[in-house]
Amino acid sequence: DGGITQSPKYLFRKEGQNVTLSCEQNLNHDAMYWYRQDPGQGLRLIYYSQIVNDFQKGDIAEGYSVSREKKESFPLTVTSAQKNPTAFYLCAVGRQSDTQYFGPGTRLTVL
Amino acid sequence: EDKVVQSPLSLVVHEGDTVTLNCSYEVTNFRSLLWYKQEKKAPTFLFMLTSSGIEKKSGRLSSILDKKELFSILNITATQTGDSAIYLCAVEEYGNKLVFGAGTILRVKS
Repeated sequence: DGGITQSPKYLFRKEGQNVTLSCEQNLNHDAMYWYRQDPGQGLRLIYYSQIVNDFQKGDIAEGYSVSREKKESFPLTVTSAQKNPTAFYLCAVGRQSDTQYFGPGTRLTVL
Repeated sequence: EDKVVQSPLSLVVHEGDTVTLNCSYEVTNFRSLLWYKQEKKAPTFLFMLTSSGIEKKSGRLSSILDKKELFSILNITATQTGDSAIYLCAVEEYGNKLVFGAGTILRVKS
């Protein structure tokens, strides 16, 4: 929040469709992260990027893809290969020796 | 496997009560422990703890870390209905990766 925007706020998808979630930041932080949150569970790391044009898989990367072409942007694509995509998706930004700050989130529902 | 365990999973108290939330961890490359408060949307940062035994305070909230026993507690005194939220504990590893616990759902009744 306060410089991190995620869109859309709510997203509905039919099974078999790919969807892309947007995350933009104007805080000039190098690192960006994508998390997934399910009821009764904490946040789980999907992908992260420490620098432009580079990213690494997190703990649950299967069925997701990302790109980091610009420092300000780190879009997440939920592909049809993700078996259970309904969840709350949070983007975060951070830098060395500092905490991570979260965007407002996107709630994805698969119909 | 790295893990962070929070307890209790949920808690209901009355306004004015004091609550203690627990977080234990097992991670390979500990760098810091963080507490977040999550209401309806994004988690908001509360505390970052790096050293054992040094209490951090912010108003009615305080937290302390024990790196020998691998746990942290978050205390909230004189609870208010506005304290109702999910409280998340996360451990930061070197490389800036966060490992989150499942969270404690706190509900404060008036």
